[in-house]
Amino acid sequence: DVKVTQSSRYLVKRTGEKVFLECVQDMDHENMFWYRQDPGLGLRLIYFSYDVKMKEKGDIPEGYSVSREKKERFSLILESASTNQTSMYLCASIPTGTHGYTFGSGTRLTVV
Amino acid sequence: QKEVEQNSGPLSVPEGAIASLNCTYSDRGSQSFFWYRQYSGKSPELIMFIYSNGDKEDGRFTAQLNKASQYVSLLIRDSQPSDSATYLCAVSNTGGFKTIFGAGTRLFVKA
Repeated sequence: DVKVTQSSRYLVKRTGEKVFLECVQDMDHENMFWYRQDPGLGLRLIYFSYDVKMKEKGDIPEGYSVSREKKERFSLILESASTNQTSMYLCASIPTGTHGYTFGSGTRLTVV
Repeated sequence: QKEVEQNSGPLSVPEGAIASLNCTYSDRGSQSFFWYRQYSGKSPELIMFIYSNGDKEDGRFTAQLNKASQYVSLLIRDSQPSDSATYLCAVSNTGGFKTIFGAGTRLFVKA
């Protein structure tokens, strides 16, 4: 089975901190995604990457950046955490030419 | 703004009944349609995908697509308490890449 691993299940950070969320997949997928999930709003795409060192903005990239130095790893960076970035963050991957995401277990981030 | 709309529920059905979950989408260029199941506190998992008009069956699950009406549905036959979860409808115009999700419908199956 494809495995997408997110490094932390729960994180509590202070306003203004730089926050790193890590995601690793073990099936050589080209495409990786970061979503956030909020009640009533569903999943919203922050950034995605279709190859190493390639990145594309999603629908809500403001306040975030990403890094993909290796194919298996896709990191989400909150440059200066704010309380409105408190959310569930979900990483997903998919190989080119197939359909349907495999999600990681999620990171619930609280910014205080 | 491309949208995917779902009734938030909760939808409550008795055990053994058919649960019907519905979804509409705004982008007529959409090509791929997905249903994900998300248990409380867990991440979504893919349960069905459909690309062509009509029905697609997989065990107790049937996905139905009507592109003319921009409507997709999921039927769960012989509903079980273990089916209680939030069901997310998702739509893509790029074969699953860069997918737009609905906010989900909460389903409760009463024993």
